[in-house]
Amino acid sequence: GNSVTQMEGPVTLSEEAFLTINCTYTATGYPSLFWYVQYPGEGLQLLLKATKADDKGSNKGFEATYRKETTSFHLEKGSVQVSDSAVYFCALVGRSGTYKYIFGTGTRLKVLA
Amino acid sequence: DTGVSQDPRHKITKRGQNVTFRCDPISEHNRLYWYRQTLGQGPEFLTYFQNEAQLEKSRLLSDRFSAERPKGSFSTLEIQRTEQGDSAMYLCASSSPERNNEQFFGPGTRLTVL
Repeated sequence: GNSVTQMEGPVTLSEEAFLTINCTYTATGYPSLFWYVQYPGEGLQLLLKATKADDKGSNKGFEATYRKETTSFHLEKGSVQVSDSAVYFCALVGRSGTYKYIFGTGTRLKVLA
Repeated sequence: DTGVSQDPRHKITKRGQNVTFRCDPISEHNRLYWYRQTLGQGPEFLTYFQNEAQLEKSRLLSDRFSAERPKGSFSTLEIQRTEQGDSAMYLCASSSPERNNEQFFGPGTRLTVL
């Protein structure tokens, strides 16, 4: 079945450091891929998405590229801020059926001033 | 667009009691999903409605769990005879026909079973 694997956290960085959070997936067909962010005490918010191979999703300085050949969707940001501290979830959804999401386990990011 | 709302936000109950949660999706969304998130894990799919029809249930959804979506609007998730293992965040999400693969999540209901 479909699955998502994320790098384990926590990830601790200094402000303005470069961020990479790895995400790989296993799926039949060509799923859509997402990154969601969960700030403390809040619900899941869509950060970015990509719906086909080689698409690049971007938002708020974050980017991720849908790599079909490596089945990956790594999240990157060139310069993190303290306000980026949160838990980040990679997710996929198939192109038919119920469109239920399959999530990774989440990666906690802590950015120090 | 007021977003997805859930009620209550927090629920503490004793083992063996019944609890019911409510989700109000975005008004024009015909698809509604329930997920469960335990500490340190990603959300896991529980069940899915298209309009008022419940079309899929996860094996995670034991017989003690029941969900409804009367008239295809709000949804309720009931847990009977709660167990400590039911303690989790219960998330609701909805999506529209035009954007079937993008779900909008509510803030969740955190359940603690003592």
